[in-house]
Amino acid sequence: DAGITQSPRHKVTETGTPVTLRCHQTENHRYMYWYRQDPGHGLRLIHYSYGVKDTDKGEVSDGYSVSRSKTEDFLLTLESATSSQTSVYFCAISEIGGPQETQYFGPGTRLLVL
Amino acid sequence: GQQLNQSPQSMFIQEGEDVSMNCTSSNIFNTWLWYKQDPGEGPVLLIALYKAGELTSNGRLTAQFGITRKDSFLNISASIPSDVGIYFCAGQGSNDYKLSFGAGTTVTVRA
Repeated sequence: DAGITQSPRHKVTETGTPVTLRCHQTENHRYMYWYRQDPGHGLRLIHYSYGVKDTDKGEVSDGYSVSRSKTEDFLLTLESATSSQTSVYFCAISEIGGPQETQYFGPGTRLLVL
Repeated sequence: GQQLNQSPQSMFIQEGEDVSMNCTSSNIFNTWLWYKQDPGEGPVLLIALYKAGELTSNGRLTAQFGITRKDSFLNISASIPSDVGIYFCAGQGSNDYKLSFGAGTTVTVRA
């Protein structure tokens, strides 16, 4: 198993509150990704990082921000949580970030916004 | 990301049966990946394909990279109860290294 942990694994929060999810890897991979998973949509990319302090937006980035101050940690922040952000969030890592990309996923964080 | 069409959406299969699922895209892909997700867990990589026409096996799983580079197939032979789960395809294009994912095929096995 790839050395990826996510915390918390479950969280319930209220609309309007900030929430931060953490992804931690022990593989020293350069590339890290945040996805959300919703029924009927598969996995959709929120933000990704191609190095320390280097991040970019994915296809569903509105309402989310990220930070990467260390290779091993990638944080996802919901600045003001909304009910539409109720979802399962997955972190992924990869070594290549280019052709022949292979991503490995963490166990997920289940977030409920009331 | 580019939308991948994955079918079927769900299937009920008898234990011991062979099952197939596929993904198609309107664009050419250079990489196809197949993942399995168990309830409450993250997707786990099953098979990676990097060349058109490539056929790769992993135990009872076999996946193929379509010749047109716009599709991929996953076959499960002699299904068993632990094959239950959601199977996702993912593809990577030549201009954008980010992965696009299918919506998943939910497999339920009847004992």
